[in-house]
Amino acid sequence: EAGVAQSPRYKIIEKRQSVAFWCNPISGHATLYWYQQILGQGPKLLIQFQNNGVVDDSQLPKDRFSAERLKGVDSTLKIQPAKLEDSAVYLCASSSDRGATEAFFGQGTRLTVV
Amino acid sequence: GENVEQHPSTLSVQEGDSAVIKCTYSDSASNYFPWYKQELGKRPQLIIDIRSNVGEKKDQRIAVTLNKTAKHFSLHITETQPEDSAVYFCAAIRDSWGKLQFGAGTQVVVTP
Repeated sequence: EAGVAQSPRYKIIEKRQSVAFWCNPISGHATLYWYQQILGQGPKLLIQFQNNGVVDDSQLPKDRFSAERLKGVDSTLKIQPAKLEDSAVYLCASSSDRGATEAFFGQGTRLTVV
Repeated sequence: GENVEQHPSTLSVQEGDSAVIKCTYSDSASNYFPWYKQELGKRPQLIIDIRSNVGEKKDQRIAVTLNKTAKHFSLHITETQPEDSAVYFCAAIRDSWGKLQFGAGTQVVVTP
């Protein structure tokens, strides 16, 4: 089966600019996660969708980050305006159901804010 | 919410020796415990998982043990090889809530 697709792979922007990341999960997967992974740290969950509804966004900095999953398939994560500390790899993952099933990760988008 | 702690943060072992990574969790209702391996510059990939109805699971050179009473679980890698060098993450999830929270990770270095 096709894996989780993310784009772009790399992005360099200046602080205060905006940026958007796109994720296409594995077909049929109801649960979609966005993670932020800062170099040397574990992935930090930003937001979790179940179909097109938000299950958890408690760690999403809502003053600058937003995410949507229209029609319960693809998802976009946006940062506006970006800060230097947003430099990280943004990982998207999907799983077939909410809970105790394997999550499959995309290759990630490496964001550098200068 | 769930809080997962992982130790050690780095682990250096000689090729052929065993490696053990330990995690503790806070939510006693958690019932699924996956382990992911992340090689440098690559995505995390599941290597083994265990559910709360069993105490141990083994797959070739890797095994996971779970102590529900103490709320901790461990990853064991035997006969380590250089290709085992990577960062390993544990996670704990309560079924039906499915908030996949990772530990901080363990950098494993296997030296020939």
